[in-house]
Amino acid sequence: AQTVTQSQPEMSVQEAETVTLSCTYDTSESDYYLFWYKQPPSRQMILVIRQEAYKQQNATENRFSVNFQKAAKSFSLKISDSQLGDAAMYFCAYRSAGDPHLSSNYQLIWGAGTKLIIKP
Amino acid sequence: DTEVTQTPKHLVMGMTNKKSLKCEQHMGHRAMYWYKQKAKKPPELMFVYSYEKLSINESVPSRFSPECPNSSLLNLHLHALQPEDSALYLCASSHPRGFSSYEQYFGPGTRLTVT
Repeated sequence: AQTVTQSQPEMSVQEAETVTLSCTYDTSESDYYLFWYKQPPSRQMILVIRQEAYKQQNATENRFSVNFQKAAKSFSLKISDSQLGDAAMYFCAYRSAGDPHLSSNYQLIWGAGTKLIIKP
Repeated sequence: DTEVTQTPKHLVMGMTNKKSLKCEQHMGHRAMYWYKQKAKKPPELMFVYSYEKLSINESVPSRFSPECPNSSLLNLHLHALQPEDSALYLCASSHPRGFSSYEQYFGPGTRLTVT
């Protein structure tokens, strides 16, 4: 079974600085997807960035980028130029890209989350 | 339009009440999900509908009854809930199998309190 681990329950960063959130996962599959979701106090779960395992290039979305190390099973999120609005819980998630006829492949495997605090 | 809407935003109900949560999406997604989320925890999957058919039921108690009337709507009927059922209930949708990226889009959630 796949597992996702976020070892940092809480992180803090000064506004305008850069912070990296860690995520490691365990799987025997070769094809899968990885996601970072953000959940601010407003509760809405927002997709920040996704990475396809078959792509070697790291995904980027504006100030958000990932460091995907497939062999090490590591998927960290880097936030540059941190802003007050980045304060939230960040969840790393895994989804199999296996047999499309298996219902279980709809499921996201979640990490425990990292609370990000932005200091003004 | 990447929006999933949920109503109501907040719900307080007694243990003998019957209520329903509603979720709607107009992105053409054919997979819809219900999650339960406790504070500071990741969401826990409850149900998955694919092409309006129940695809996954994660051993959820029968006091939770899902319904998918059409491809845009998802309901969660609640009856005889317990105080421990108090949580944030999230709805999500995605393209079904066969699409490449499988990301799920979430609604803002319904904060449920059972008294």
